[in-house]
Amino acid sequence: AQSVTQLGSHVSVSEGALVLLRCNYSSSVPPYLFWYVQYPNQGLQLLLKYTSAATLVKGINGFEAEFKKSETSFHLTKPSAHMSDAAEYFCAVGRGGATNKLIFGTGTLLAVQP
Amino acid sequence: KAGVTQTPRYLIKTRGQQVTLSCSPISGHRSVSWYQQTPGQGLQFLFEYFSETQRNKGNFPGRFSGRQFSNSRSEMNVSTLELGDSALYLCASSTSGTDEKLFFGSGTQLSVL
Repeated sequence: AQSVTQLGSHVSVSEGALVLLRCNYSSSVPPYLFWYVQYPNQGLQLLLKYTSAATLVKGINGFEAEFKKSETSFHLTKPSAHMSDAAEYFCAVGRGGATNKLIFGTGTLLAVQP
Repeated sequence: KAGVTQTPRYLIKTRGQQVTLSCSPISGHRSVSWYQQTPGQGLQFLFEYFSETQRNKGNFPGRFSGRQFSNSRSEMNVSTLELGDSALYLCASSTSGTDEKLFFGSGTQLSVL
């Protein structure tokens, strides 16, 4: 069975500081991994995805994530936080390697302090 | 290009009633997936339709059903509503449903009283 675990339901950083949101996955097959962002009262927007190409994946809004098979991790980072980054972030794995039926983590709410 | 459109945006029902939610995918997208989002359970996959056929199904009771029309628009229906069905229901579309980016709508917020 596939699953994802997001460590830390709430993360708070100062504006300009490094953002690090943690995600570990479990999968018996090569996984497809995703990070989505959800702003209040909105749906989810894809930040980036890993589908077995380059292990360092660059996404939108300056975010990137590195796939580390040995650590079964896919942490999301951004060098410098902006106030507009405040949102909830979800890590997800594609069930059976497919992208049309995702298993989501419980989410991490990112707060950015001025 | 218009995004994924879900209607209605908000819905209030009482226990025992049934409800139908609608989703219009992005033009050209043939795969439509539905997810339930609650504070306690998070985001859970309900089902996926492709070319009017249910292709994948999550672990939800039979009270949850859906369908897809020839124009790829999709509806989901929940019968005999329970308090625990209160949730944000999200629809997502993609071109083929495999190795594709999902585009999500803003959701329908269902409250069951």
